Amino acid sequence: KAGVTQTPRYLIKTRGQQVTLSCSPISGHRSVSWYQQTPGQGLQFLFEYFSETQRNKGNFPGRFSGRQFSNSRSEMNVSTLELGDSALYLCASRPGQGRNEQYFGPGTRLTVT
Amino acid sequence: QKEVEQDPGPLSVPEGAIVSLNCTYSNSAFQYFMWYRQYSRKGPELLMYTYSSGNKEDGRFTAQVDKSSKYISLFIRDSQPSDSATYLCAMSAAFGNEKLTFGTGTRLTIIP
Repeated sequence: KAGVTQTPRYLIKTRGQQVTLSCSPISGHRSVSWYQQTPGQGLQFLFEYFSETQRNKGNFPGRFSGRQFSNSRSEMNVSTLELGDSALYLCASRPGQGRNEQYFGPGTRLTVT
Repeated sequence: QKEVEQDPGPLSVPEGAIVSLNCTYSNSAFQYFMWYRQYSRKGPELLMYTYSSGNKEDGRFTAQVDKSSKYISLFIRDSQPSDSATYLCAMSAAFGNEKLTFGTGTRLTIIP
């Protein structure tokens, strides 16, 4: 089975712009979660989607949003970018059906200048 | 205080040694425990997944969970230079709240 894929792998944006990141989960996985990884804060949970519905949300401002499509693919959007949004954004998929292990993609490295 | 505490290291051991990595946690709702390995500039790779207390072995890796002490461990036997990476513990609560809470990661170097 192919793993979790994320596009693009690298992005450079300017403060104030917005960005959309994409994630395709492992085939058959219906749950997609997003995490932000920074050297100072480590890995932090952003939100989780299951069957196109947001199930859980972390402590991030409303500038961070997401959605999931009927084929389980997910997108994450960050509006009005700030320098502090520079990070590795990771997507993880989970089989669901009582199984909690999560499989991560390679991440999108976002640099805000 | 963080929900999950993990010694950030760095930890350096000679090739062939047994490595012990540990995390402690404070949230008694955590029931699912995972260990990930992350190489530089890569996404985390799932190594071990356990539910509740007990031991689980997979090749050179053994995961232990002691819920009474809120303490989890990962042992690596016959360590190899290719094991050099950052190791992250992660845990989540029961069904309906599967967000992972991570430790800060331990940077491990295996010296040939």
